[in-house]
Amino acid sequence: DAGITQSPRHKVTETGTPVTLRCHQTENHRYMYWYRQDPGHGLRLIHYSYGVKDTDKGEVSDGYSVSRSKTEDFLLTLESATSSQTSVYFCAISERAGLSYEQYFGPGTRLTVT
Amino acid sequence: TQLLEQSPQFLSIQEGENLTVYCNSSSVFSSLQWYRQEPGEGPVLLVTVVTGGEVKKLKRLTFQFGDARKDSSLHITAAQTGDTGLYLCAGPPPGANNLFFGTGTRLTVIP
Repeated sequence: DAGITQSPRHKVTETGTPVTLRCHQTENHRYMYWYRQDPGHGLRLIHYSYGVKDTDKGEVSDGYSVSRSKTEDFLLTLESATSSQTSVYFCAISERAGLSYEQYFGPGTRLTVT
Repeated sequence: TQLLEQSPQFLSIQEGENLTVYCNSSSVFSSLQWYRQEPGEGPVLLVTVVTGGEVKKLKRLTFQFGDARKDSSLHITAAQTGDTGLYLCAGPPPGANNLFFGTGTRLTVIP
């Protein structure tokens, strides 16, 4: 199994509070991703990183920011949490070998915004 | 409109039966992946198909990439209860540096 951990695994927070989720990898992979998974929508990309301090927006980036100061850590921040951000958040990593874009996922963080 | 459409959305079958699930797009993909996700866990990569017409086998699972690289199928022979899960297909959209995921097929195998 790829060495990917996410913390916290579960969190309940109130609307309007800032929240930071952490993804940590031990694989030294270049690419890291944050997704959210909601019923009926599948996995949707929030932001991704292609190197230290290099990030880009995904499909559903509004209300989220990310930072990557080290290869192994990718942080997702909800600046002011809203109920629509209640979801399960997954981090993934990828080395991008050739034409394939295989990604390896962490165990997920279940976030509830009340 | 989903870039990758998966069907059926839900499938419930008896143990020992065969089944096929589909992943379709109007776009050409350079590759497609299949993942399986169990409750409370992240998706796990099963296979990557790259060449049009390619067939890959993983024990009782057979994956096929369409000749035009716009679709893929997953066939399971003699389903077992351990096959229960959410099956996701994913691929890099044309010109993109990331994966797009279908909404998945939720498979339940009944003992």
